[in-house]
Amino acid sequence: KNQVEQSPQSLIILEGKNCTLQCNYTVSPFSNLRWYKQDTGRGPVSLTIMTFSENTKSNGRYTATLDADTKQSSLHITASQLSDSASYICVVITFSGNTPLVFGKGTRLSVIA
Amino acid sequence: DGGITQSPKYLFRKEGQNVTLSCEQNLNHDAMYWYRQDPGQGLRLIYYSQIVNDFQKGDIAEGYSVSREKKESFPLTVTSAQKNPTAFYLCASSMDRAGTYEQYFGPGTRLTVT
Repeated sequence: KNQVEQSPQSLIILEGKNCTLQCNYTVSPFSNLRWYKQDTGRGPVSLTIMTFSENTKSNGRYTATLDADTKQSSLHITASQLSDSASYICVVITFSGNTPLVFGKGTRLSVIA
Repeated sequence: DGGITQSPKYLFRKEGQNVTLSCEQNLNHDAMYWYRQDPGQGLRLIYYSQIVNDFQKGDIAEGYSVSREKKESFPLTVTSAQKNPTAFYLCASSMDRAGTYEQYFGPGTRLTVT
């Protein structure tokens, strides 16, 4: 069964600190992997899209990594800001099936002053 | 939120009543989707549409209905048959359904049924 597991479920960090969120998947065949940021009560917004051949991709203070061999991805946030407080959702896209997007449950990040 | 609008942002209904959630996009996207989000769970696909006048059930379609009469619009009706309708509903669109292109989400509608 295609699954995406994210860890930790929630995380609290001090403003200015770095953090890393994890995403493990069993989705096959693999097309691409995306990280979304979802503010409370809002729709998700795309941060990065990674294809099979990409190992690292950055978007400002956000850096995503992908290891297609171990089926793991991480999202690293540098110098966190209060506005980074949100849920971060990992989504893996497969070529097959009626529902090609497989969503993780997300990691809830709280950045405190 | 891109060019996708959902209305209303909050919706309250009595149990047993049908309710329709609006979703409009001006991105000229062919594919549109409805997801349901519950606390502690990932997004779950309710219905999707690849082209006008065509739509397909997702993983949790029971108790819901949709229509796609126009490319820009994909309303979702939550019927009285939906056993647990209270949730956050998200509409999305993309250029195609295969997942090749970026999927853009609307701001969501929070439905509360009492």
